[in-house]
Amino acid sequence: GDSVTQMEGPVTLSEEAFLTINCTYTATGYPSLFWYVQYPGEGLQLLLKATKADDKGSNKGFEATYRKETTSFHLEKGSVQVSDSAVYFCALSEKGSQGNLIFGKGTKLSVKP
Amino acid sequence: GAGVSQSPSNKVTEKGKDVELRCDPISGHTALYWYRQSLGQGLEFLIYFQGNSAPDKSGLPSDRFSAERTGGSVSTLTIQRTQQEDSAVYLCASSDEGQPQETQYFGPGTRLLVL
Repeated sequence: GDSVTQMEGPVTLSEEAFLTINCTYTATGYPSLFWYVQYPGEGLQLLLKATKADDKGSNKGFEATYRKETTSFHLEKGSVQVSDSAVYFCALSEKGSQGNLIFGKGTKLSVKP
Repeated sequence: GAGVSQSPSNKVTEKGKDVELRCDPISGHTALYWYRQSLGQGLEFLIYFQGNSAPDKSGLPSDRFSAERTGGSVSTLTIQRTQQEDSAVYLCASSDEGQPQETQYFGPGTRLLVL
C-alpha cells in the first residue's frame, strides 16, 4: 500500500542554520504531496503542497519539490528561526482517492537561539 | 472565518465506557475526515464523509468505532467499550470537496485518555 517515510528526529539546529527534512513516498499512482506542521500547543496546519511532478511548493521560506524520479518531497529552509520549532509531517493523497491523507511519522525540529 | 472545532478538548474515561467526540467542520465544506494521532501509530486515517454519500469506513480499527454525520455538517465519532489502546488524540479535518489535491483544515483535536 501507499506509504510515506520521513527522517526520524528530533532535529536540533541553531538559528539561521540550513534545514533539510527528507521525505520519500510509495504510491501506486501520482499522488498529491503535502507538508503539514504542528506548532507547540496548536493544531495541524498545511505548510505547503505540490500536486504534480516537478511542482515546487513554498511558504514562509520553506520549499519542497515533487520529484517523481526519486519519489521524494524533501523540505528545505535556508535559514531557520526559533519560531520554526515544531513537528513536521510529510503526507500524500492518492489521485483518484477520496483525499484521505497518509502521513509520515513526523519530525520534531527544535531551533536554538 | 471560523475553523474546524472539536469537543471536548480533553476526555478521561474508564475502560469499558463509551465516549462520543464531536466535530464541527468549516461551513460549506462537504468533505469531513477523522484521524487518530498516537505515539505508537502516528497519524492514521479513520473515516471519511462526503456530502450525503455513504462514508468510507476503511480506516476504522475495530467495530467498536463508529461515526455519523448529521445534515452534512456536524460529525460524531463514537467509541464503544473503550480500551486503553484507544488513548490518543482524535483529529477532525474538513475540505471543500474531498479531492486529493485539496488542503485539509484540521481542528485542535480531542485528547482521549482511557484509564
